[in-house]
Amino acid sequence: KAGVTQTPRYLIKTRGQQVTLSCSPISGHRSVSWYQQTPGQGLQFLFEYFSETQRNKGNFPGRFSGRQFSNSRSEMNVSTLELGDSALYLCASSFTGGKAKNIQYFGAGTRLSVL
Amino acid sequence: KQEVTQIPAALSVPEGENLVLNCSFTDSAIYNLQWFRQDPGKGLTSLLLIQSSQREQTSGRLNASLDKSSGRSTLYIAASQPGDSATYLCAVLIQGGSEKLVFGKGTKLTVNP
Repeated sequence: KAGVTQTPRYLIKTRGQQVTLSCSPISGHRSVSWYQQTPGQGLQFLFEYFSETQRNKGNFPGRFSGRQFSNSRSEMNVSTLELGDSALYLCASSFTGGKAKNIQYFGAGTRLSVL
Repeated sequence: KQEVTQIPAALSVPEGENLVLNCSFTDSAIYNLQWFRQDPGKGLTSLLLIQSSQREQTSGRLNASLDKSSGRSTLYIAASQPGDSATYLCAVLIQGGSEKLVFGKGTKLTVNP
């Protein structure tokens, strides 16, 4: 069974540009969550999608947005990039077949550098 | 607001030692607690998941305990090896309508040969 796939693995952008990151969950998983990891703040929750609907959103500005497609693949978009957006962006998927037993499986991440 | 704290932030031990990593959380309304491992520049690998109704879980040389009432969890690693060197992250899945994990900042473990 293939794991969670994130593309691209590395990105270099300049301030003011926008970027789109992609996440393909494990087959059969319907929940996809996004996290930002920085040395200072650690791992912070961005948002979670389930059946194409955003169920929860973290405390990030509106420049951060996402969506989920009918095949459960998800994308996140960051507009008007700032230097502080440089981070490792991680995607996680889970089956959501019963919350207590849910293991969240993480992808390898996309390393975004904003110059 | 749920907060997760991990102590110590870094730990260096000689190979073969048994060690304990600590995690504490402020709100006991959790579905489960997970321990993850992260190697430099990589994603997260789930090591153990403890449901809120459970007290501990074991996998090989790893044993994790959960005391929900006191808001604490420990990860015990027996007979540590250099390959165990990584950052260990604790995360709680908070109750509510979505799959939101709240993470600690991790313990960076170095096992010296």
